[in-house]
Amino acid sequence: LAKTTQPISMDSYEGQEVNITCSHNNIATNDYITWYQQFPSQGPRFIIQGYKTKVTNEVASLFIPADRKSSTLSLPRVSLSDTAVYYCLVGDFFSGSARQLTFGSGTQLTVLP
Amino acid sequence: EAQVTQNPRYLITVTGKKLTVTCSQNMNHEYMSWYRQDPGLGLRQIYYSMNVEVTDKGDVPEGYKVSRKEKRNFPLILESPSPNQTSLYFCASSQGLGETQYFGPGTRLLVL
Repeated sequence: LAKTTQPISMDSYEGQEVNITCSHNNIATNDYITWYQQFPSQGPRFIIQGYKTKVTNEVASLFIPADRKSSTLSLPRVSLSDTAVYYCLVGDFFSGSARQLTFGSGTQLTVLP
Repeated sequence: EAQVTQNPRYLITVTGKKLTVTCSQNMNHEYMSWYRQDPGLGLRQIYYSMNVEVTDKGDVPEGYKVSRKEKRNFPLILESPSPNQTSLYFCASSQGLGETQYFGPGTRLLVL
């Protein structure tokens, strides 16, 4: 699995857009990028997954530049309830070669009033 | 309701006393896995299973056993628990390896 690097923590205010960047310099051709969200004492929850360019769903957007060595999770107009840890995972999840899913330490996002 | 259940949710035990944490999913998922979460270390995978009777080690398998005799169940067994296994444990399932993982509510274990 490609190693990922994320900021340990970020602060934001309600109503702002938050961008969390994940670096994955050794991403492989078949690797996908997946983000999960975790609230305290709960299991992680899938947010979004992408391979290149931009993916958007009702919760977030995922921006992936052409070289795919990084990705940015964008949360529009955050609220206090978006305070959570966000994990970036990179791997060839579909071929069966990346059998171990490593979450890493994630980014603690704190949304302030 | 589609869900992953774990039991017990909280457990206090003593060193060396065998215990089992159950995990069950009702989504007919192929892939199941166990994680432990410790402060500052994120989530680390213990074991995973691609299908019935198919299991493999994750990042931190030492001191744990699993079995997958039925598709819906994936129990985690601690034969001889030690204090360093005090942690928050999560079970997860997905239809396939690359699919969305659904996590259980967690089991908080304290080994004295």
